[in-house]
Amino acid sequence: GAGVSQSPSNKVTEKGKDVELRCDPISGHTALYWYRQSLGQGLEFLIYFQGNSAPDKSGLPSDRFSAERTGGSVSTLTIQRTQQEDSAVYLCASTPSGGQTQYFGPGTRLLVL
Amino acid sequence: QKEVEQDPGPLSVPEGAIVSLNCTYSNSAFQYFMWYRQYSRKGPELLMYTYSSGNKEDGRFTAQVDKSSKYISLFIRDSQPSDSATYLCAMSLNDYKLSFGAGTTVTVRA
Repeated sequence: GAGVSQSPSNKVTEKGKDVELRCDPISGHTALYWYRQSLGQGLEFLIYFQGNSAPDKSGLPSDRFSAERTGGSVSTLTIQRTQQEDSAVYLCASTPSGGQTQYFGPGTRLLVL
Repeated sequence: QKEVEQDPGPLSVPEGAIVSLNCTYSNSAFQYFMWYRQYSRKGPELLMYTYSSGNKEDGRFTAQVDKSSKYISLFIRDSQPSDSATYLCAMSLNDYKLSFGAGTTVTVRA
């Protein structure tokens, strides 16, 4: 079956521009996560959505970062006024209800010039 | 100090060798321990999951957790070139918010 998909695969933008990254979780999965992976760093938790509950936004690094999940499915991560330090791979994962395994997408590689 | 420490390597071994990977952590409240494998330009995939001290085996893979020492290990027996990847340890307090190590890049030479 289809796994987690993310778009775009790669994004190059100029400093100061806004970007939107999209995640399509596995159909039926109730939980969705965003992580950031910088060069030489482990994955850094950003935000977690579970069903209709309030998201856990504790990992968002600044108020330039926001995410939403519409209809309990697709999620969009928005970075406003991008900075060069935002350059990283942004990974999305999803989990079925009651499940523990996080299934990751291939990521969006963001480069801020 | 990072919450989870993992030597980034790189680690290069000949085919058939045992690969030994490890992580240390500082938060004694971590309950769940995982190892992920990440191929180049792909997302991580779960290899092993455990929540207790001791050993867990799955085919050529053995995960070891020592909560008293705050130390976890992954062993890969009879390593194959297809095992060449980055291996990430991860751990969690609450089964959803994972804290990852930096990852160790492994190359298995044919």
